[in-house]
Amino acid sequence: ETGVTQTPRHLVMGMTNKKSLKCEQHLGHNAMYWYKQSAKKPLELMFVYNFKEQTENNSVPSRFSPECPNSSHLFLHLHTLQPEDSALYLCASSQETSGTGANVLTFGAGSRLTVL
Amino acid sequence: GQSLEQPSEVTAVEGAIVQINCTYQTSGFYGLSWYQQHDGGAPTFLSYNALDGLEETGRFSSFLSRSDSYGYLLLQELQMKDSASYFCAVRGLNFNKFYFGSGTKLNVKP
Repeated sequence: ETGVTQTPRHLVMGMTNKKSLKCEQHLGHNAMYWYKQSAKKPLELMFVYNFKEQTENNSVPSRFSPECPNSSHLFLHLHTLQPEDSALYLCASSQETSGTGANVLTFGAGSRLTVL
Repeated sequence: GQSLEQPSEVTAVEGAIVQINCTYQTSGFYGLSWYQQHDGGAPTFLSYNALDGLEETGRFSSFLSRSDSYGYLLLQELQMKDSASYFCAVRGLNFNKFYFGSGTKLNVKP
């Protein structure tokens, strides 16, 4: 596969469940991102990783816990979520986080999360 | 803070030309990007403008005026497959961050 792959594509969970979203990129990029997309709202940046190191946490609640074991994989661990966390979670990657290599984000198709 | 304004919805007919505007307010500015997202799909990169002026890529063109904090995406010879949401995004003072608008839903009718 090429590009950015996200699994699962759809997830329904209760507020007490623990689940994880997975993102994998086959582009050789060094930076990876999590965005949240809610209806009629701008994409919200959640986390940024550069060379496996977290460089941005955009005031995200601790019930969202990211993990980046290597430059190709990114996880978002979910625990005790709220119904308002229901959204499309998009993973993206870029060559780097600065310079011209940061100008293009390649997105995955997203994981549609519903919290009951 | 950062804010981007773009129209929520635009309708045009096949073969026409449509312009989607984006105005922004950011602390620091490095460039304006445009992304296309079909329903159920991933946002895909269309263009990036760092300097004033018009950039053309096939049927799509993107314009930037830094002094006016304004840009637009121009789509020519509209096709049904152009029906999608279009997002403008600015890269601000913090290199890590792209700030996105709420998106413009383009409906192309026969």
